[in-house]
Amino acid sequence: EVQLVQSGAEVKKPGESLRISCKVSGDSASSLWLSWVRQIPGKGLEWIGRIDRSDSYTTYSPSFQGHVSISTDESISTAFLQWTSLKASDTAMYYCARHKGDYLSSIDAFDLWGPGTEVSVTT
Amino acid sequence: DIVMTQSPDSLAVSLGERATINCKSSQSVFFSSNDKNYLAWYQQKPGQSPKLLMYWAFNRESGVPDRFTGSGSGTDFTLTISSLQAEDVAIYYCQQYYRSPFTFGPGTKVDVK
Repeated sequence: EVQLVQSGAEVKKPGESLRISCKVSGDSASSLWLSWVRQIPGKGLEWIGRIDRSDSYTTYSPSFQGHVSISTDESISTAFLQWTSLKASDTAMYYCARHKGDYLSSIDAFDLWGPGTEVSVTT
Repeated sequence: DIVMTQSPDSLAVSLGERATINCKSSQSVFFSSNDKNYLAWYQQKPGQSPKLLMYWAFNRESGVPDRFTGSGSGTDFTLTISSLQAEDVAIYYCQQYYRSPFTFGPGTKVDVK
């Protein structure tokens, strides 16, 4: 069974850097695309960007471009979401989500979600 | 960006009754080349991650009960729960994947009356 295992909750100060992770365990035949989605407490879902784990090709939402970066280390089947300078407005739950499909063809709907990583940025 | 809107913001339905959620996109998410609507529906229960219910507007994800039905095309879509069960209490989101950035609707909260 494929699972997305995310790193634990983080408490940071504004200006600090952070990298959170999402480890893919299980079936290697599933889609190689992974996305990150933000959910501010009590609010809706916002797509941040996606990565093709086969070649690290990334696509970002303009709303997040330049503020975060998505990467992958396939030697450990793990994708990352990274900030170099956090803001208080980055306080949110961050989900990684697998694109539906298989390694040959996938669609940009998300059929498997991680449990989320809670990020709190506070002075 | 394609803007997704949903109505109503919330609704309360008696157990066993029908719940209807509407979703509208600011531009068509129908791709004529493959005759598909690039529209998905998700369910998020309190304290949980979202769960995919529907893709291609009306294809039910594996394991999703058949009381959930998706319909619509172009810019107007509907998710119907034919007979509301207590476990269906959740927030429901639509999402377009026609064009990046992929965007979600603001959500519709469904409760039991």
